[in-house]
Amino acid sequence: KQEVTQIPAALSVPEGENLVLNCSFTDSAIYNLQWFRQDPGKGLTSLLLIQSSQREQTSGRLNASLDKSSGRSTLYIAASQPGDSATYLCAVPNSGGYQKVTFGTGTKLQVIP
Amino acid sequence: DTGVSQDPRHKITKRGQNVTFRCDPISEHNRLYWYRQTLGQGPEFLTYFQNEAQLEKSRLLSDRFSAERPKGSFSTLEIQRTEQGDSAMYLCASSFSGGGMGEKLFFGSGTQLSVL
Repeated sequence: KQEVTQIPAALSVPEGENLVLNCSFTDSAIYNLQWFRQDPGKGLTSLLLIQSSQREQTSGRLNASLDKSSGRSTLYIAASQPGDSATYLCAVPNSGGYQKVTFGTGTKLQVIP
Repeated sequence: DTGVSQDPRHKITKRGQNVTFRCDPISEHNRLYWYRQTLGQGPEFLTYFQNEAQLEKSRLLSDRFSAERPKGSFSTLEIQRTEQGDSAMYLCASSFSGGGMGEKLFFGSGTQLSVL
């Protein structure tokens, strides 16, 4: 059974700092890996999707990497802003679809002005 | 692309009552998923549709839960005889499968259910 761990569970940083969020998974037979952002009481917003054959994806200040062999993905946020405050979750589907998907419990990020 | 819409945003009901939630996926998406999320946890898969066919249901989906997606468009999730343990955020998501670009999941804002 796939297990997904996100460390740290919570993080508080001053505005402008670069930071790294971690996602670890136990079963490397993944289809892809997707990073999401969730604001309190809201749904999830997709940030980056990394195919299993890729090593990284970038979107603006966000960069996600994937190392399947070690079962790890990182989300790098450059020059953090107060608007980045949210919970960040990674999702790991083990098949061609999100019916067999395991979500991490998330990292709650607070960026202090 | 108007995104995934869910209605209602919040639902408060008494134990034993029936509730129904609606999800309108992104129009060209052929897959629709329902998840449940409790506080501090990641979403858990409930069921999914490929067009109008319900292809898989989680063991979390008891007999009191039923989902439909008539004509492969919007979907409804009904919970009969609600229990306090049903209190959670119910999330709908949709995706397009078959484009060869990787399946990206798009979520709605969710329906927060509180069973009193």
